[in-house]
Amino acid sequence: DAGITQSPRHKVTETGTPVTLRCHQTENHRYMYWYRQDPGHGLRLIHYSYGVKDTDKGEVSDGYSVSRSKTEDFLLTLESATSSQTSVYFCAIRTAGGGDTQYFGPGTRLTVL
Amino acid sequence: GIQVEQSPPDLILQEGANSTLRCNFSDSVNNLQWFHQNPWGQLINLFYIPSGTKQNGRLSATTVATERYSLLYISSSQTTDSGVYFCAVGTSGTYKYIFGTGTRLKVLA
Repeated sequence: DAGITQSPRHKVTETGTPVTLRCHQTENHRYMYWYRQDPGHGLRLIHYSYGVKDTDKGEVSDGYSVSRSKTEDFLLTLESATSSQTSVYFCAIRTAGGGDTQYFGPGTRLTVL
Repeated sequence: GIQVEQSPPDLILQEGANSTLRCNFSDSVNNLQWFHQNPWGQLINLFYIPSGTKQNGRLSATTVATERYSLLYISSSQTTDSGVYFCAVGTSGTYKYIFGTGTRLKVLA
């Protein structure tokens, strides 16, 4: 599982509140990703990071911000949660060498009421 | 941007049957991966296969990059193969990945 944990695993919040999801890895991988998974859409990239303080937008980045102040942690923030952000959020790391592959965390189920 | 289509969207098999899942992509790629999402939601990397053929037990995959498709073969299917299978592609010059919408497989005992 490449030592990836996500917290919290489940969260229920109300519209308009800020929410921060955390992804933590233990193997010092440079690249980290945040995806959301919704029925009918597969996984869609929100943001990714290619190093400490280096981030870039994915295809569904509106309403989300990220931060990476140290290699092991990648935070996803919903500044003001909306019901359309109800989803399952997955964090992933990318390994290099021997195959460019992604490994995923267990996911966070977020419900915005 | 690049489009990724998977077929069929749904598949039901009897245990022991074989199946072929397809992933078509609309542009050149330098990265292609297959994933299995089990019924508990866990995503598991199956293959990194930007070109050529690989095999791992009952599963094998082939990517024909020049024709922009990849195939995942499951032989002698088992109930534990149930879940959703995704392909994801990446293109040169970026470390972003685009996922297909998946094939949902159900294997009946």
